Amino acid sequence: DIQMTQSPSSLSASVGDRVTITCQASQDISNYLNWYQQKPGKAPKLLIYDASNLETGVPSRFSGSGSGTDFTFTISSLQPEDIATYYCQQYDNLPSFTFGPGTKVDIK
Amino acid sequence: EVQLVESGGVVVQPGGSLRLSCAASGFTFDDYTMHWVRQAPGKGLEWVSLISWDGGSTYYADSVKGRFTISRDNSKNSLYLQMNSLRTEDTALYYCAKDTVRATSTFDYWGQGTLVTVSS
Repeated sequence: DIQMTQSPSSLSASVGDRVTITCQASQDISNYLNWYQQKPGKAPKLLIYDASNLETGVPSRFSGSGSGTDFTFTISSLQPEDIATYYCQQYDNLPSFTFGPGTKVDIK
Repeated sequence: EVQLVESGGVVVQPGGSLRLSCAASGFTFDDYTMHWVRQAPGKGLEWVSLISWDGGSTYYADSVKGRFTISRDNSKNSLYLQMNSLRTEDTALYYCAKDTVRATSTFDYWGQGTLVTVSS
């Protein structure tokens, strides 16, 4: 099975800061990676698909990059409404679609 | 507007059975692969199962294989998860999730979840 790791596990940043989260796969997954946002008490929301494509309606301050085993998720200017836990998810390996452990983002 | 509404979550004893349902609306249900994803209290997300648009293909996480069965009724726009031989580690919020048109196991819409608690 493909294992996914994320770092950091949590971070605290100021409004307007640039925030970067990394996700690493245990083997090459090409660009078969998605990013989700989960706010407290809510269902996850798809933000980025295929590693770098912004889902319709998602603000452009969110972006993703990477391929192979190393991926990056960036919030270019952190906003108060971005407080959430962010998960990466690989879909290269049917039928095991593993999520990363999550990165909790707070406002400093 | 796409809506997914799960139901059926309750408190059940270890070894017991339960059937979850997901009512879908706002899209052509029988065009899409559907999934169940779960989240244990305070923990991360775990994919559980998928079913193809016509029910012809199903897949399961190793953790539930042989105990859970996914099914769908396209005439009722409904998705189901039959859960047997439940274990305490199955305690979680169970989400129904819709796949994208490309069926890449990318979850573009989620329900609000239904809570299953396995406890004696």
